Amino acid sequence: QQQVKQSPQSLIVQKGGISIINCAYENTAFDYFPWYQQFPGKGPALLIAIRPDVSEKKEGRFTISFNKSAKQFSLHIMDSQPGDSATYFCAASTQGSIKAAGNKLTFGGGTRVLVKP
Amino acid sequence: DGGITQSPKYLFRKEGQNVTLSCEQNLNHDAMYWYRQDPGQGLRLIYYSQIVNDFQKGDIAEGYSVSREKKESFPLTVTSAQKNPTAFYLCASSIVGGVSYNEQFFGPGTRLTVL
Repeated sequence: QQQVKQSPQSLIVQKGGISIINCAYENTAFDYFPWYQQFPGKGPALLIAIRPDVSEKKEGRFTISFNKSAKQFSLHIMDSQPGDSATYFCAASTQGSIKAAGNKLTFGGGTRVLVKP
Repeated sequence: DGGITQSPKYLFRKEGQNVTLSCEQNLNHDAMYWYRQDPGQGLRLIYYSQIVNDFQKGDIAEGYSVSREKKESFPLTVTSAQKNPTAFYLCASSIVGGVSYNEQFFGPGTRLTVL
């Protein structure tokens, strides 16, 4: 059972455009929602994360929007650059019960983003 | 520099052979994790460990084994019982506990191919 569903699977955007990736989750116990960025042949790296007590978090050109009632969250990449071309993963975990859950992350299926110059 | 190292970067194995993937971290993290990544799919948790000499199965533990004899090391053995072992394997670590939300740091990965 896939607990975090991510869409689209791939995305092509022109340089300067906005990339939008959406994720939906099922487990209402999730209380930590990070986004990871992965370049080919490399391990993922944390990009930005949000907790459910806020509806939006912005870091530079990257913004997470969170809708708790809809159980959805999204990543917006503003002014997309060719260097942003990578695979992006949303994830969720129950950090509040870290000792029991072991800080386990449940990942979405990933979105491959290509920014054309 | 602090970080996570995985070796080897590429690994080839014949069917029926066991193979061990190395993961070492010098971040002084208590927790370590192993994930499997298949093309076009997200990361799936194989095993995780929060403390030395203790580990728990993740979502896809069948055909894999781990050990945690040292805080810095968390090797993964892919046994011959794993039916489809060809994949990209990622090791991660994090702190445990505290009041903050604990980021997982990932290694560069090992690509395993079964011939």
